[in-house]
Amino acid sequence: AQKVTQAQTEISVVEKEDVTLDCVYETRDTTYYLFWYKQPPSGELVFLIRRNSFDEQNEISGRYSWNFQKSTSSFNFTITASQVVDSAVYFCALSETDDMRFGAGTRLTVKP
Amino acid sequence: DVKVTQSSRYLVKRTGEKVFLECVQDMDHENMFWYRQDPGLGLRLIYFSYDVKMKEKGDIPEGYSVSREKKERFSLILESASTNQTSMYLCASRPPTEGFYGYTFGSGTRLTVV
Repeated sequence: AQKVTQAQTEISVVEKEDVTLDCVYETRDTTYYLFWYKQPPSGELVFLIRRNSFDEQNEISGRYSWNFQKSTSSFNFTITASQVVDSAVYFCALSETDDMRFGAGTRLTVKP
Repeated sequence: DVKVTQSSRYLVKRTGEKVFLECVQDMDHENMFWYRQDPGLGLRLIYFSYDVKMKEKGDIPEGYSVSREKKERFSLILESASTNQTSMYLCASRPPTEGFYGYTFGSGTRLTVV
């Protein structure tokens, strides 16, 4: 069965600090997709990134970067120079077929 | 702009009531999903549907049922609401692509059962 673990329940940082959100997954499939979503205080989940299991290349998008390591079944998310607007709950998710399983989420608070 | 629309943002119902949560998408997606979100538990899959009149149980289907009579609409039904069903309910849709696409989510319905 697929499973996603986000061990960090809450993280608090001061603006401009770098922060890494951890995600560890379990799956028996060789083909799968990993996702990160952001849920700001408004409540609607926003898609951030998708990675397939055959592409371990790290990705950078502005202040966001993702580190995918199959050897440790991890898909970690780093925000560089955090800003107050980054405050949100972040979810990691795993999809093998048409449904998706989510981690419990990490609440990130960025203080000015 | 493509959308998933949930009919109510906030809902208060009494214990024992039959409750309908409605979700409509305008993207012609085959797959639709209902999750509930609780603090510390993340999003848990209740039911999903691959096509009209088809449904599959997710991880926590007890106490819920669903209806998919039209492709664009997926309803979650609480047959007899109980206080432990107080939660945020999220609807999502996606094309049938073996996991490739992410979900498009609705803005959620916060249900309180009193």
